[in-house]
Amino acid sequence: AQTVTQSQPEMSVQEAETVTLSCTYDTSESDYYLFWYKQPPSRQMILVIRQEAYKQQNATENRFSVNFQKAAKSFSLKISDSQLGDAAMYFCAYRSAWVDYKLSFGAGTTVTVRA
Amino acid sequence: EAQVTQNPRYLITVTGKKLTVTCSQNMNHEYMSWYRQDPGLGLRQIYYSMNVEVTDKGDVPEGYKVSRKEKRNFPLILESPSPNQTSLYFCASKARDVDADTQYFGPGTRLTVL
Repeated sequence: AQTVTQSQPEMSVQEAETVTLSCTYDTSESDYYLFWYKQPPSRQMILVIRQEAYKQQNATENRFSVNFQKAAKSFSLKISDSQLGDAAMYFCAYRSAWVDYKLSFGAGTTVTVRA
Repeated sequence: EAQVTQNPRYLITVTGKKLTVTCSQNMNHEYMSWYRQDPGLGLRQIYYSMNVEVTDKGDVPEGYKVSRKEKRNFPLILESPSPNQTSLYFCASKARDVDADTQYFGPGTRLTVL
């Protein structure tokens, strides 16, 4: 079974600064997908960014970018120019390329943005 | 609008009183799942369904039942709820297409079992 570990329960960042959330995962598979989801106080799960394991290039979506280190099984999320609306819980998630009906989630990191 | 709906959004009940949380999607997705979210544990899959009449256990199925009689609906049934089932529940759906890796989540159901 795949396990996803987020070692930072909480992170705080000053508005306009950068924060990096860490995520590591354990798998024996070579083909898989990784995701970061945002959960604001509304509880809605919002997909922030996705990474395909066979792609070496790190994914970016506007102010959000990842650092994908396949050999180290690491998948960190960088939020640049943090905004008040970025305050939320962020979940890292793993999906096998072969078991595509299941996401395995980390415990989550709560991000607070200071004005 | 593509969406997954869940009802109710909030529910307070007592131990042993059967309840059903409904889930419906309008995207004709084959895959549907139920997850529960608990502090410090993230989201864990309870049950999933790959199509009508095809369901299977996820990681934490004890105390839950599901059914998939129609493609759009995937209700979660707690026949005898207990306090340890107090949690935030999410329904999710996804197309079977291997390139379609977007999971659509419902708005969540906050369940409290007293």
